[in-house]
Amino acid sequence: NAGVMQNPRHLVRRRGQEARLRCSPMKGHSHVYWYRQLPEEGLKFMVYLQKENIIDESGMPKERFSAEFPKEGPSILRIQQVVRGDSAAYFCASSGDTGELFFGEGSRLTVL
Amino acid sequence: EDQVTQSPEALRLQEGESSSLNCSYTVSGLRGLFWYRQDPGKGPEFLFTLYSAGEEKEKERLKATLTKKESFLHITAPKPEDSATYLCAVPPTKGAQKLVFGQGTRLTINP
Repeated sequence: NAGVMQNPRHLVRRRGQEARLRCSPMKGHSHVYWYRQLPEEGLKFMVYLQKENIIDESGMPKERFSAEFPKEGPSILRIQQVVRGDSAAYFCASSGDTGELFFGEGSRLTVL
Repeated sequence: EDQVTQSPEALRLQEGESSSLNCSYTVSGLRGLFWYRQDPGKGPEFLFTLYSAGEEKEKERLKATLTKKESFLHITAPKPEDSATYLCAVPPTKGAQKLVFGQGTRLTINP
């Protein structure tokens, strides 16, 4: 029974390029969350999605960042025109109806 | 504003030396308090959920307890493999299903 799957695990981009991070939730889970963790900092909520719907994007920067969770396929966090400050670990989590979030291993973005 | 504060930021113990980590929160109408363990380079691993004051949960050398304003993670006779960052989190007072995390306690157990 696979857990939350994230890819790529590591991604290197140059300033101005686009980064796409993918997340497949645990089987049976319909809620997906994206968090960002900067070095030596805590986990910061970005966005909460259900299939085809963004439920809460209160932690998402207003520009350059977008997220989707289509009817078919993984959830995608997209960062356009990346800057050095976007370098971080991006974690995806999923949950069922009980409220516990189960996390993937993260995608580590490095912007050169 | 909803806040989750963990203390200490870092803790070094000798193997076998028991201690406690603290998590205090300011949300109203608590809908659960969650503890996670995070190893370097890995995602957080779910440990416990506590829902009401007085509740306790145990797993191996870890025991989590909850009061009206804080939670403790007690570590009894720890081993080096218990070294990790321990995170606590709560749902916010208002808004959708999500978790607000504390900064974590970085625990190191020396052999």
